[in-house]
Amino acid sequence: DAGVTQSPTHLIKTRGQHVTLRCSPISGHKSVSWYQQVLGQGPQFIFQYYEKEERGRGNFPDRFSARQFPNYSSELNVNALLLGDSALYLCASSLSGGPAETQYFGPGTRLLVL
Amino acid sequence: AQKVTQAQTEISVVEKEDVTLDCVYETRDTTYYLFWYKQPPSGELVFLIRRNSFDEQNEISGRYSWNFQKSTSSFNFTITASQVVDSAVYFCALSEAQGNSGGSNYKLTFGKGTLLTVNP
Repeated sequence: DAGVTQSPTHLIKTRGQHVTLRCSPISGHKSVSWYQQVLGQGPQFIFQYYEKEERGRGNFPDRFSARQFPNYSSELNVNALLLGDSALYLCASSLSGGPAETQYFGPGTRLLVL
Repeated sequence: AQKVTQAQTEISVVEKEDVTLDCVYETRDTTYYLFWYKQPPSGELVFLIRRNSFDEQNEISGRYSWNFQKSTSSFNFTITASQVVDSAVYFCALSEAQGNSGGSNYKLTFGKGTLLTVNP
């Protein structure tokens, strides 16, 4: 079975631009979470979605938004990019997003903002 | 608020040595879950183990073992007879209910990770 997939794998943008990152969860998983991992740090929680509804968001500005589609895939959008948005963006999926469930991660999208 | 501390930033060992990675956590919840993930240079986080707060039984899986102690809020990870392929960044993570806006989301809070280098 396919794991979590993310696209694109790498992306280079300039300040002020916007970006859309995509994620497809493991088949049968209905919850998707997004994390940002800056170099040398652990992943930081951005959003969690379940059944197309936002369940929660981390401490990120409104420039960050996301949505989940009927097929449970998800998009993360970042507007007005800043240099500090350069990071590895990780998507994770789980069955229903509960605390006891293991979140399985995709390979990530490496975003570089120049 | 929940917090995970991995005090060891980097560890370097020679192949076949045993190595222990430390993890200390903080939470006000009585029910919570702890995880270890491995991140090789490719970047993908690989799940290793999950423990719940009401099961302090230690676990061994091949060369890996985990020591969970609620009294000291620690969840340490030991690799026995390390191999070069074990070289990676290892993350400890904590899951508890955030209870956002009447619902709940169960985010993972990660430590900063420990870079393990196993030299031949």
